[in-house]
Amino acid sequence: ETGVTQSPTHLIKTRGQQVTLRCSSQSGHNTVSWYQQALGQGPQFIFQYYREEENGRGNFPPRFSGLQFPNYSSELNVNALELDDSALYLCASSLGGSSGANVLTFGAGSRLTVL
Amino acid sequence: GENVEQHPSTLSVQEGDSAVIKCTYSDSASNYFPWYKQELGKGPQLIIDIRSNVGEKKDQRIAVTLNKTAKHFSLHITETQPEDSAVYFCAASIKGSARQLTFGSGTQLTVLP
Repeated sequence: ETGVTQSPTHLIKTRGQQVTLRCSSQSGHNTVSWYQQALGQGPQFIFQYYREEENGRGNFPPRFSGLQFPNYSSELNVNALELDDSALYLCASSLGGSSGANVLTFGAGSRLTVL
Repeated sequence: GENVEQHPSTLSVQEGDSAVIKCTYSDSASNYFPWYKQELGKGPQLIIDIRSNVGEKKDQRIAVTLNKTAKHFSLHITETQPEDSAVYFCAASIKGSARQLTFGSGTQLTVLP
């Protein structure tokens, strides 16, 4: 059974650029959530995808967007990068939508630095 | 929305001693409370969780207690070992909210040999 894999592991962008982060969910999981973890803080919920549709969103602006594909993998896109977007972006997969089991399995994250 | 506060932010214990981390939550509709361990360079790993219909749960050296009336829950680690050193996060979620987890700010646990 494979876990959650994320790519890239590290990347550096400049302010105003766009970035795409990728996530492959754990085998058998159909729901993907994205979290932003700033240095020294707990993860913050960005959004969740279930059956290829956004199924809940945290307090993040529209320039944060995502996709889920038929194989349950997912992308997080961030446009017009700001310095405060520098963080570890965590992908978590789980089984079930809003009423399903909510045991999340996290990947190791993508470390984004915005200069 | 939900707010989770976690204390202490840092905790040092001698190997073999017990460690206790406490969290409070604000939304009485929260019904699921997981604890995650995050080691350097890794994502959070679930170590134990508890649901609102249970007051206590134990798994070997780890236990979690929940007081719904007071809206607080705690993690207890007994017989600590150096490999327990990591950042621990508590979290809470409300049923029907896409299982969105609200995390505490974390506790850096250091187990001294």
